Amino acid sequence: ETGVTQSPTHLIKTRGQQVTLRCSSQSGHNTVSWYQQALGQGPQFIFQYYREEENGRGNFPPRFSGLQFPNYSSELNVNALELDDSALYLCASSLEGAARTDTQYFGPGTRLTVL
Amino acid sequence: DAKTTQPPSMDCAEGRAANLPCNHSTISGNEYVYWYRQIHSQGPQYIIHGLKNNETNEMASLIITEDRKSSTLILPHATLRDTAVYYCIVRVRNDYKLSFGAGTTVTVRA
Repeated sequence: ETGVTQSPTHLIKTRGQQVTLRCSSQSGHNTVSWYQQALGQGPQFIFQYYREEENGRGNFPPRFSGLQFPNYSSELNVNALELDDSALYLCASSLEGAARTDTQYFGPGTRLTVL
Repeated sequence: DAKTTQPPSMDCAEGRAANLPCNHSTISGNEYVYWYRQIHSQGPQYIIHGLKNNETNEMASLIITEDRKSSTLILPHATLRDTAVYYCIVRVRNDYKLSFGAGTTVTVRA
């Protein structure tokens, strides 16, 4: 069984740029959730994707957007980067639907630094 | 809108049981108690969850009080690798998000 993977592991961007982070879900899972974790804080929910559509969203502005692909992998896009976007971005996958388990399993994260 | 209260930190001795408390006095009947842990700079790791019965797996045991207002995560034989931040989360089973608080920083000492 393959766990959740994320790429890249580290990324440095400049304020105002755009960034795309990638996540491959655990085998057999069909749902991906994204979280942002600022230094010293707990993860904060950004949004969830199920069946290629956004299934729920936290308190994040529209410049945070996402995609889910038919193979259940996902992307997180952030436009117009701000210094406060510097954080660890976490992806979690789960199985939703009739055979749901819905326990979320996390990847190792992508560390984004905005200068 | 924190639904759980955990001590900010605790120490325990290697080889001893670590008992991590969590208060969730406003828990609803359909909310589960989940525990995750996060070792420095890694993604959170799922440990265990339960509704009202005590649960045990290969990592830990979860003891939920009869009134469900508090719970305890037990690591039976703590090792140095158990040093991490432990998060107690209450969640309706089909809620799409996990709401993390500050957690408890557990330090296992040799």
